[in-house]
Amino acid sequence: DSGVTQTPKHLITATGQRVTLRCSPRSGDLSVYWYQQSLDQGLQFLIQYYNGEERAKGNILERFSAQQFPDLHSELNLSSLELGDSALYFCASSFLPRTVVRYGYTFGSGTRLTVV
Amino acid sequence: KNEVEQSPQNLTAQEGEFITINCSYSVGISALHWLQQHPGGGIVSLFMLSSGKKKHGRLIATINIQEKHSSLHITASHPRDSAVYICAVSKGWLGNTDKLIFGTGTRLQVFP
Repeated sequence: DSGVTQTPKHLITATGQRVTLRCSPRSGDLSVYWYQQSLDQGLQFLIQYYNGEERAKGNILERFSAQQFPDLHSELNLSSLELGDSALYFCASSFLPRTVVRYGYTFGSGTRLTVV
Repeated sequence: KNEVEQSPQNLTAQEGEFITINCSYSVGISALHWLQQHPGGGIVSLFMLSSGKKKHGRLIATINIQEKHSSLHITASHPRDSAVYICAVSKGWLGNTDKLIFGTGTRLQVFP
């Protein structure tokens, strides 16, 4: 167990629907990162939160949004789902931004989303 | 051109062989990560390097900051080493975020 918990592990839903993916960071980590891994695009950074606030944004679609709550867990919301959104979604956490070298970086086991 | 390039893309080996996977990057970094992913599986962090060399069991990772190059070596390879190995970099204190930039991965298959 890496300490980063992602739920659910698998999700199958229809096009046009909305889903929420959840991530609990490793105990003590304040920063959460979301990544998407698709067959054609590989691993891509979506968004980062630090202590409840958005810190950095990557190639995240407007149909996607995220937030980090006071207890530091984070949710990634995907709406108006399309077939191309099928992918593995990973969450990772670190203590503080810019402290990776000292404190490390931990991945969750991912949520596999299948849009049918 | 990708900021992180890996080679080779695919690698097959016989059990017991010495394996090297290479990673080159073109940006300033604070750390380089080697990650392992088994088919359908999660991502495991193998190493995080900012300089020099690290060893864990049969795995060795090296980095040359001046040449912007890193290698992952597997000694005495075993079929259970079969996985995708991914190189990633973080800019850390050079940027304002620890987001990772990933290579495309190297798919390794080790046959008995």
